[in-house]
Amino acid sequence: QQQVKQSPQSLIVQKGGISIINCAYENTAFDYFPWYQQFPGKGPALLIAIRPDVSEKKEGRFTISFNKSAKQFSLHIMDSQPGDSATYFCALRDGNTDKLIFGTGTRLQVFP
Amino acid sequence: EADIYQTPRYLVIGTGKKITLECSQTMGHDKMYWYQQDPGMELHLIHYSYGVNSTEKGDLSSESTVSRIRTEHFPLTLESARPSHTSQYLCASSAQGYGYTFGSGTRLTVV
Repeated sequence: QQQVKQSPQSLIVQKGGISIINCAYENTAFDYFPWYQQFPGKGPALLIAIRPDVSEKKEGRFTISFNKSAKQFSLHIMDSQPGDSATYFCALRDGNTDKLIFGTGTRLQVFP
Repeated sequence: EADIYQTPRYLVIGTGKKITLECSQTMGHDKMYWYQQDPGMELHLIHYSYGVNSTEKGDLSSESTVSRIRTEHFPLTLESARPSHTSQYLCASSAQGYGYTFGSGTRLTVV
């Protein structure tokens, strides 16, 4: 069964706008929530991550918001730029197995 | 510089050939993983290893096999390639308690 649901599947944003990608999960055994950014022809690269004892983490234009009670977390990209155009994956680490479970991905396109 | 390397980056091969995709990391990570991904699509775990001489099959069934004789090396082998194996193969490694570091991938095309 799918343990993490990511939405939307694709997102088109104007330059300077805010991009928001959401993930919801079902299991409470997760202890680490990273976001990965993948450009065509490249492997995913860690963008930003949060642990469940924190509700928000900000790094530059990228912010993770985490709602533990709702089992949801989201990535916000402020002042979106064409260079942010990529596929974004949320992930959750199973604290028992230490394996990451990935979302289905969101393809973001930022137009000038 | 600590990193994870995959070779070759691109491979076009005929049906029935045996191939080995190489993956090496210089970070001393115990845990390594192989993922299969169609372009821009979901990541599917096909193999993982928690250390030398430890290998396990992942969530997606795969005809490939792996070995882990050295900590830094985690090759993937297909004994007889088929067109259905055409995909991108991503290798990753991790340290306990942290996220994964991915290689750039091998884009395999079987004709």
